[in-house]
Amino acid sequence: GQNIDQPTEMTATEGAIVQINCTYQTSGFNGLFWYQQHAGEAPTFLSYNVLDGLEEKGRFSSFLSRSKGYSYLLLKELQMKDSASYLCAVSLNTGGFKTIFGAGTRLFVKA
Amino acid sequence: GAVVSQHPSRVICKSGTSVKIECRSLDFQATTMFWYRQFPKQSLMLMATSNEGSKATYEQGVEKDKFLINHASLTLSTLTVTSAHPEDSSFYICSADPGNRGYEQYFGPGTRLTVT
Repeated sequence: GQNIDQPTEMTATEGAIVQINCTYQTSGFNGLFWYQQHAGEAPTFLSYNVLDGLEEKGRFSSFLSRSKGYSYLLLKELQMKDSASYLCAVSLNTGGFKTIFGAGTRLFVKA
Repeated sequence: GAVVSQHPSRVICKSGTSVKIECRSLDFQATTMFWYRQFPKQSLMLMATSNEGSKATYEQGVEKDKFLINHASLTLSTLTVTSAHPEDSSFYICSADPGNRGYEQYFGPGTRLTVT
């Protein structure tokens, strides 16, 4: 079956750096997404990795290792508004494309 | 950027009635749209893939006769929750893939369904 694991909750301090890990076991891998979601709202796209390595975009960076089935999202210079759920999602090509989501990591940023 | 709308944003219905939710891509065409359901404090669960001009592909465990999907045009997919029950109360979110290549999808704002 398809499986995506990420921590349930994390807490970090304003101004600090936090790394949210995601491991996956899937077939038909077509890339990995990270989304941010605030309660009651739709997910907001953060990143998409299909090749190994680190992609940096402002305060957010995302890393992928396909051989290890591993990714992380790195958030720098944390701000209070970064308190949200972060969803790791895998795009699959199983004769058609679809995206499945991990359970999400709730990040609490404290002052 | 690409915009996806959903209507209604919130709906309250009585148990046993049916509810239709619309998902529209406003400035692009999408042969493929997706319907997700999200319960409180949980992640998005893919319900089905909606294909323009053909039958939807449902995920395992999702009742196709209860959740009717129609993708009648390249910009509109509808999800009808038939004979709704309180356990169907959830946040329903659609997304659209403009290129059908799996690396790009745009989410609608979601529909909050409450069944009383």
